[in-house]
Amino acid sequence: SAVISQKPSRDICQRGTSLTIQCQVDSQVTMMFWYRQQPGQSLTLIATANQGSEATYESGFVIDKFPISRPNLTFSTLTVSNMSPEDSSIYLCSVEDRAGGGYGYTFGSGTRLTVV
Amino acid sequence: RKEVEQDPGPFNVPEGATVAFNCTYSNSASQSFFWYRQDCRKEPKLLMSVYSSGNEDGRFTAQLNRASQYISLLIRDSKLSDSATYLCVVTHGSGNTGKLIFGQGTTLQVKP
Repeated sequence: SAVISQKPSRDICQRGTSLTIQCQVDSQVTMMFWYRQQPGQSLTLIATANQGSEATYESGFVIDKFPISRPNLTFSTLTVSNMSPEDSSIYLCSVEDRAGGGYGYTFGSGTRLTVV
Repeated sequence: RKEVEQDPGPFNVPEGATVAFNCTYSNSASQSFFWYRQDCRKEPKLLMSVYSSGNEDGRFTAQLNRASQYISLLIRDSKLSDSATYLCVVTHGSGNTGKLIFGQGTTLQVKP
């Protein structure tokens, strides 16, 4: 299956600052996905990142708050801007994975963000 | 109504027990279905895809009923290592677009 390297694994940030999360995939993928998992909740899709075009954001998420870069087919970043304590969550990237003839989605190990 | 609904549990079962999880989804155009496992403080990992004909992988059996918009996961001969949260996941709308919709998860605790 695809291998995703996500970093940082965790961070504690001051409110009002920004954090950029990186995901590197060991294979070329058309789409990369960014999810948020708030404490005690399940995952919610933030946006879909396509190489060479602007990311597509889900309802409730905007580019100014969560700018995304997708400079090539193996890499993407998500920035959490002007952070507030409500942004404290786990952020995960994901890619479609068809390795070995199967079908599913593989996730990065997540970034645990605490905003103080 | 949530798009994907699961009983959050927790399910507390003894080792060796058989346990079944159920999930319903609201979007009849959903095309792909999965069960993921998430351990505490870890990312979700694919347990199995779910096909209309049903599929089995060792102790795990998944079933899909499109007419009822219902998905199930059966775990036989539970092991201590099966303790985790099990997430029912469907793709949003038609096509494999990667927009995964997650249920809130069902927590399983297998006890010795």
